[in-house]
Amino acid sequence: RKEVEQDPGPFNVPEGATVAFNCTYSNSASQSFFWYRQDCRKEPKLLMSVYSSGNEDGRFTAQLNRASQYISLLIRDSKLSDSATYLCVVNQAGTALIFGKGTTLSVSS
Amino acid sequence: GAVVSQHPSRVICKSGTSVKIECRSLDFQATTMFWYRQFPKQSLMLMATSNEGSKATYEQGVEKDKFLINHASLTLSTLTVTSAHPEDSSFYICSARAAGSNQPQHFGDGTRLSIL
Repeated sequence: RKEVEQDPGPFNVPEGATVAFNCTYSNSASQSFFWYRQDCRKEPKLLMSVYSSGNEDGRFTAQLNRASQYISLLIRDSKLSDSATYLCVVNQAGTALIFGKGTTLSVSS
Repeated sequence: GAVVSQHPSRVICKSGTSVKIECRSLDFQATTMFWYRQFPKQSLMLMATSNEGSKATYEQGVEKDKFLINHASLTLSTLTVTSAHPEDSSFYICSARAAGSNQPQHFGDGTRLSIL
């Protein structure tokens, strides 16, 4: 079983749509959780950290459920510029980040 | 913010060539550097972890004699792909982290390696 699993998509949505991505992780010792964004095989860039209490950054909302080892990302009012691959990332303190395969989002006008 | 510089960004070379990729932390001391590889439509896979002044720790399935990692200073790590073959063609990305287990990882821009 892979450490971090995501639905690869692609998710094709119109501008203004709300889209949700899910992710599960297998290592219960994981301590930190993130969503990264990757464009056109460029380096991944941190989108937001994920906390058990849930956190929001503008149109983006992230949730973590430690009991079910589940992470989600909600994007509201999708923009064309949101088109990218979204990577679910976990790690334990002091270790390297472990990446999911990514979920591809394509927003069209 | 912290910056990591990776060079070169693109390499095209013949099979059998050895290729060196550099990763530099520009405004912080990177006690730990990580090397990842990403094949098309795949996730970033950790290849190895290197701590300054120590031998790198390789992930299972990564040949240490083929992927030579040197982390001789707190600002520079290099990855050398020795005798590269077409199957080594991939996107290689480094990341660097300062001392302290809760420090974030900062990524380089990546190197796209194509072996003909």
